[in-house]
Amino acid sequence: AQKVTQAQTEISVVEKEDVTLDCVYETRDTTYYLFWYKQPPSGELVFLIRRNSFDEQNEISGRYSWNFQKSTSSFNFTITASQVVDSAVYFCALSFMNRDDKIIFGKGTRLHILP
Amino acid sequence: EAGVTQFPSHSVIEKGQTVTLRCDPISGHDNLYWYRRVMGKEIKFLLHFVKESKQDESGMPNNRFLAERTGGTYSTLKVQPAELEDSGVYFCASSQTRDSYEQYFGPGTRLTVT
Repeated sequence: AQKVTQAQTEISVVEKEDVTLDCVYETRDTTYYLFWYKQPPSGELVFLIRRNSFDEQNEISGRYSWNFQKSTSSFNFTITASQVVDSAVYFCALSFMNRDDKIIFGKGTRLHILP
Repeated sequence: EAGVTQFPSHSVIEKGQTVTLRCDPISGHDNLYWYRRVMGKEIKFLLHFVKESKQDESGMPNNRFLAERTGGTYSTLKVQPAELEDSGVYFCASSQTRDSYEQYFGPGTRLTVT
């Protein structure tokens, strides 16, 4: 089965706290991509990051960081020193190299950053 | 460069009515995808066009949904007749190559069926 699970439906943290959004995926494919998207209140889907299955290096981009662990099939996303503008729904997603193009999304985690 | 655009941004219709959603992909993008998110659930793939041809329509829920892409430019997704469970946000994405990495998403159309 190909599946993405985001167990946290909704999270609230106070501004400046760190927060980690969990993502666990299932696939039998050995070559795949993992993504995170942000959906702010305005509704559009904003691409944040893509990792491919060959590259387990963690990535940091400003206050955002991603931890990819193939051993646990997880691709967690951490926001450091959260800000109110980070409030959004965040989707983790999976797709497959050299196969169909569809992206498989998780159900999303709604993140509230409280001032 | 203009991004993927979708029209309308929000549509409210009654059960049994017909609604047509439109997507204009990024110019030059041969690949066009439709996805939808029903409230509280994951965003699900509906179908994929390569130019005007349907490459994969495995995600279309039933025959009340009809997607077209005449001329290989913009696409329409018609729901006829609409049911309550069709409510959700319909996203369109486009890409130049057949690579899900490069899918650019539009702002979505929120469909409410009452």
